[in-house]
Amino acid sequence: EIMLTQSPGTLSLSPGERATLSCRASQSVTSSLLAWYQQKPGQAPRLLIYGASSRATGIPDRFSGSGSGTDFTLTINRLEPEDFAVYYCHQYASSPITFGQGTRLEIK
Amino acid sequence: QVQLVQSGAEVKKPGASVKVSCKASGYTFTDYYIHWVRQAPGQGLEWMGWIDPNSGVTYYAQKFQDRVTLTRDTSISTAYMEMSRLTSDDTAVYYCAAVGAIIAWGQGTLVTVSS
Repeated sequence: EIMLTQSPGTLSLSPGERATLSCRASQSVTSSLLAWYQQKPGQAPRLLIYGASSRATGIPDRFSGSGSGTDFTLTINRLEPEDFAVYYCHQYASSPITFGQGTRLEIK
Repeated sequence: QVQLVQSGAEVKKPGASVKVSCKASGYTFTDYYIHWVRQAPGQGLEWMGWIDPNSGVTYYAQKFQDRVTLTRDTSISTAYMEMSRLTSDDTAVYYCAAVGAIIAWGQGTLVTVSS
């Protein structure tokens, strides 16, 4: 089972700043089959990035994903008020699929 | 567009069973595995298992192996998750997700277990 560790647990930033979220895998994620989600209270996870770096439909270009192997990053440029939420990474390269524990992005 | 629509919220008593449905549209149902994931209040995402809609083959997380049954009905492009012997620890939102070349999630189904 591939374990995913996200850091930091909580990130406190101001609107307009850049957020950098990390996701480290316990073993290589084949074909970079890694996704990122945003989740707000009472809502289902919203797909932001798939295949490590491809934006899902309708996702603003201030969201970008990068990385390969065991280290992946979600970058959010010019934070908007609606970006403050919990973010999860998810590997779907091997069964069982697994999720990181989440990074909470809060307003400073 | 690709869409997964789940059945509505359920309230169950401890020891009962629940069955949640997940209807797919906008793609060929048999092309992608359907995964089930749950999220307890204030907690993260927990994978439960998957079903291959094409063959009906299933694979479960060890934690759920003896209490969860995943099935599908290809004639109506619908997957099901049934969980037995419910306890209060099973109170959570249950999601289905199609994962492969596409990724799509259902809206979630809240299952509340309370006496």
